[in-house]
Amino acid sequence: DTAVSQTPKYLVTQMGNDKSIKCEQNLGHDTMYWYKQDSKKFLKIMFSYNNKELIINETVPNRFSPKSPDKAHLNLHINSLELGDSAVYFCASSHGTANQPQHFGDGTRLSIL
Amino acid sequence: AQSVAQPEDQVNVAEGNPLTVKCTYSVSGNPYLFWYVQYPNRGLQFLLKYITGDNLVKGSYGFEAEFNKSQTSFHLKKPSALVSDSALYFCAVREPGGGADGLTFGKGTHLIIQP
Repeated sequence: DTAVSQTPKYLVTQMGNDKSIKCEQNLGHDTMYWYKQDSKKFLKIMFSYNNKELIINETVPNRFSPKSPDKAHLNLHINSLELGDSAVYFCASSHGTANQPQHFGDGTRLSIL
Repeated sequence: AQSVAQPEDQVNVAEGNPLTVKCTYSVSGNPYLFWYVQYPNRGLQFLLKYITGDNLVKGSYGFEAEFNKSQTSFHLKKPSALVSDSALYFCAVREPGGGADGLTFGKGTHLIIQP
């Protein structure tokens, strides 16, 4: 059983479109995250969210927005996609304290044409 | 602000030899340190962490890491490398008061184990 699952695995779309990536975790964690991995494999936190607060990395454009219907889900919505948004996006989850490891999904490879 | 440095883009080791993947960090206060491994087209897998206590921590797949406060390092080690250890390794740091903050990752080190 997959602990953190993302859909779709691959997403190919055109510039200017709006798209969403879904993430679900079945680990009972209370905190979820979105990371972006660029073509050089560099990983950067985009958002972290629990039922109390949303923390946004200040470098993330406001075209990106996380939406959490419940504690087990954190979806990523992207408006007006740009070429530079091409990357692999990883969802992760953990218990909310800083000393707990995060569990990652297998990623969504987003390609903008 | 917290940061992590992995000075080697790639480390090559012969199978059966010991391996070391280097990591240094910068954080205010005491750090929480993590190592993750990424195989091609997969997400990151947790290997081990240092929170407090014994400076030598043991993790998955025979890996261990040594926390050195004076050198602000947290190098990943394994006594005898396997070809299957070949992957991309990330060191990460988090501040104790981080709460819901994400991890700050190093740029990753490609580990190549040669048969």
